[in-house]
Amino acid sequence: KAGVTQTPRYLIKTRGQQVTLSCSPISGHRSVSWYQQTPGQGLQFLFEYFSETQRNKGNFPGRFSGRQFSNSRSEMNVSTLELGDSALYLCASSLAEAGGIYEQYFGPGTRLTVT
Amino acid sequence: AQSVAQPEDQVNVAEGNPLTVKCTYSVSGNPYLFWYVQYPNRGLQFLLKYITGDNLVKGSYGFEAEFNKSQTSFHLKKPSALVSDSALYFCAVRDDIGGATNKLIFGTGTLLAVQP
Repeated sequence: KAGVTQTPRYLIKTRGQQVTLSCSPISGHRSVSWYQQTPGQGLQFLFEYFSETQRNKGNFPGRFSGRQFSNSRSEMNVSTLELGDSALYLCASSLAEAGGIYEQYFGPGTRLTVT
Repeated sequence: AQSVAQPEDQVNVAEGNPLTVKCTYSVSGNPYLFWYVQYPNRGLQFLLKYITGDNLVKGSYGFEAEFNKSQTSFHLKKPSALVSDSALYFCAVRDDIGGATNKLIFGTGTLLAVQP
């Protein structure tokens, strides 16, 4: 099976702009989560989607949003970019059968640089 | 609230020697614990998980982890380190929000350096 793919891999934006990142999960995985990784804050959970519904959200401002499509692909959007949004954004997919504890499989990430 | 702690920022070990990367946890319910590895400019790769049962969990690439409930620890081990094991290792716990979730809470990471 193909792994989790993320596009683009690298992105440079200026403050105030907005950006959309895309994630394609492993085939058959219905749960998609997003994480932000920075040297100072480490790995922080952004949100999780399952069957097109957000079922969990981290402590990030409303500028960060996401969605999931019927084919389980997901996008996240960051509006009004700030310098502090520079980070590696990681997408992860997982099986999500009821009652199960499943590992997440991560994509290679999108490196966002805000100037 | 769930949390994990990785007390060592870096672990140095000689190739061929056993390695241990430490992790302690704090949970309000059942501990569902994971180890991931990250190579430079790459995403995280799953190594192993503990859900219940045997306290010694075997995973990918020869790694294993020992779950210790009394010490609330979940240390990652490997009998013989390779230079190619050099990477950043993360311990994680599944969040317990009272409902279905795959949300993970990660430790700060431990950089493993294996010297030839």
